[in-house]
Amino acid sequence: QSVLTQPPSVSAAPGQKVTISCSGSSSNIGNKYVSWYQQFPGTAPKLLIYENDRRPSGIPDRFSGSKSGTSATLDITGLQTGDEADYYCGTWDSSLSIGVFGGGTKLTVL
Amino acid sequence: QLQLQESGPGLVKTSETLSLTCTVSSGSITSRTFYWGWIRQPPGKGLEWIAIIYSNGGTYYSPSLRSRFTISVDTSKNQFSLKVTSVTAADTAAYYCARGEHGVDAFDIWGQGTKVTVSS
Repeated sequence: QSVLTQPPSVSAAPGQKVTISCSGSSSNIGNKYVSWYQQFPGTAPKLLIYENDRRPSGIPDRFSGSKSGTSATLDITGLQTGDEADYYCGTWDSSLSIGVFGGGTKLTVL
Repeated sequence: QLQLQESGPGLVKTSETLSLTCTVSSGSITSRTFYWGWIRQPPGKGLEWIAIIYSNGGTYYSPSLRSRFTISVDTSKNQFSLKVTSVTAADTAAYYCARGEHGVDAFDIWGQGTKVTVSS
C-alpha cells in the first residue's frame, strides 16, 4: 500500500491529452515538493518534473506538473506512442521522515 | 555529466548478506547540496524508497526496512553502499542508486540499476 495514490492505468489516443493524478496528505504532498518520473520497461526511472512544476533540461514542454493542496497532477499533451511508459510521483513525507513514491501509473497510447 | 553505476552479485542465497555499491563518476560525492539514495523495484511492481545518506554520514531509512538495511558512504572512493542482511525472496528486485537534492526532494540522476535475485 503506497503512501501516495495513483491510478493503476490511464489511456488516450495519440495527439490527445492525459492527466495522471497523485493523492497524498498534509504530511507529504501538502507541504513538500512533488516530483514525477518516467520509466520504460527494463530501464531506470527518469526525472520528468521536480518542485511540482519544473522541467529538467531536455524534457519537452508537453509534460507539465501542478499541485493543489494534497494532490498533484502530471499532464501530458500531444501524446505520442513513445510516451507509453510507467509514471511515478514522489515526494518527502515529513511524518515518516522518508521519501515516498506513488504506486505508479501505466500509460497506454491507443 | 555526473554518472552513477551500481555493482553487486546478481545472485544471493537466502539468509545471506547482500552488498551493493554505487560508484559516482564525473562529480564529487562530498557536495553538501546533494544526498545519495537507494531505491528498489521488485519484478512487475513499483518503486520502493529504501534509504538516503548525506556525505557527512547523516542517514534516513524506510522504517519497514531499517532493521536489515545499512547505507554507508566512502568519500575517499567516491562511492556509497547498501548492505542487506538475512535476505529472503522478497528482496529480489532491481536496485537503483540515485542522487537527490536537499530541499528539492527529487532524484535527478539515476544509475542503470542492478538486478538481484535471492534464491535458496
